[in-house]
Amino acid sequence: GAVVSQHPSWVICKSGTSVKIECRSLDFQATTMFWYRQFPKQSLMLMATSNEGSKATYEQGVEKDKFLINHASLTLSTLTVTSAHPEDSSFYICSAQQLQTEAFFGQGTRLTVV
Amino acid sequence: EDKVVQSPLSLVVHEGDTVTLNCSYEVTNFRSLLWYKQEKKAPTFLFMLTSSGIEKKSGRLSSILDKKELFSILNITATQTGDSAVYLCAVDNYGQNFVFGPGTRLSVLP
Repeated sequence: GAVVSQHPSWVICKSGTSVKIECRSLDFQATTMFWYRQFPKQSLMLMATSNEGSKATYEQGVEKDKFLINHASLTLSTLTVTSAHPEDSSFYICSAQQLQTEAFFGQGTRLTVV
Repeated sequence: EDKVVQSPLSLVVHEGDTVTLNCSYEVTNFRSLLWYKQEKKAPTFLFMLTSSGIEKKSGRLSSILDKKELFSILNITATQTGDSAVYLCAVDNYGQNFVFGPGTRLSVLP
């Protein structure tokens, strides 16, 4: 299957700082990328959908000013958690999709805010 | 509201057993249904189903979709301890987003 690389795989940051997570599709052009958040023992919660060159579409209840998503190219999307707080600590996963195909997931990023 | 329901939510079996996992859905614009296996981290892709009645197989795993009744099943035969995972069902809402079910936590005991 296609490869989606997410970086970093884990990060610890201080409260109030910002953290950027990258999601790259390595061998295909991802027309759409999705960002999810997963709490322990729960299913994936979609945060936002981004199409290359367009503004991301955020799900209800997700603060777009806090979770900045950029999808500047067909192979890269970034999620920036601004002014992170301990309650933002979670597992963040991206997935990338090329047109009408299945979505492939990155490895995930475990964010811990202390 | 779009939703995906999976059952059972958890299941404990012994090696060699056969299991059937269920996924039903209600979405506005169905394009495909996908099954993923999630172990410790990110989900891995298993199947994508777009047409009713066509079984997809991969080793001991198989899956089929019924678009009339709006459900899919994932079968695992001769289960092994390595099959222990959370199995996620998701529906592609025509490119708008993926709607995920809560997952079925499968535990296979030796």
